[in-house]
Amino acid sequence: SQTIHQWPATLVQPVGSPLSLECTVEGTSNPNLYWYRQAAGRGLQLLFYSVGIGQISSEVPQNLSASRPQDRQFILSSKKLLLSDSGFYLCAWSTLDSGANVLTFGAGSRLTVL
Amino acid sequence: GNSVTQMEGPVTLSEEAFLTINCTYTATGYPSLFWYVQYPGEGLQLLLKATKADDKGSNKGFEATYRKETTSFHLEKGSVQVSDSAVYFCALSDRYSSASKIIFGSGTRLSIRP
Repeated sequence: SQTIHQWPATLVQPVGSPLSLECTVEGTSNPNLYWYRQAAGRGLQLLFYSVGIGQISSEVPQNLSASRPQDRQFILSSKKLLLSDSGFYLCAWSTLDSGANVLTFGAGSRLTVL
Repeated sequence: GNSVTQMEGPVTLSEEAFLTINCTYTATGYPSLFWYVQYPGEGLQLLLKATKADDKGSNKGFEATYRKETTSFHLEKGSVQVSDSAVYFCALSDRYSSASKIIFGSGTRLSIRP
């Protein structure tokens, strides 16, 4: 069966420090991968999605970046964190189910920037 | 571009009450529509989906009907339970496209009183 792992689960970082959140998927090949952010009191914002190795689409210009060095690995990074980067980050992969593009989410990574 | 609008929360109901959470969308073509649920401290999971007009998605006593004429996909449940307390997200994606963006509404927090 397919599983998705995210780490770390919780992270507290000072402003200006770097960030690396990692997501890996098991049990499938060539998945479409996504990074979403859920800020406090706000909805789910699509940050990046990827249809293959090295292929990244960015949805929101900001100081975050994403990379996909391997088929089932998706990394979210920042060189210098801002206070506004605090939030709950969710990785997901998608599959077509009866013609619908269904997402399966990881458990999330909660980032607090101080 | 595509967008999803859902009713503002929080919504607080007593156990066994009838629930409606409104969701309307704007999209080109014929999107697939979804409801995802996020229980406290967890990532999101698919609740139900519909892929074409007049389809009814259902799961765990929840239902939603794809209404093309009103561009709506309202979530309903006849008798809610305390365990239904969660945040509910309406979402859409391009139909039959595995490499597509999946757009979410802002989420509606539901609290059920015993």
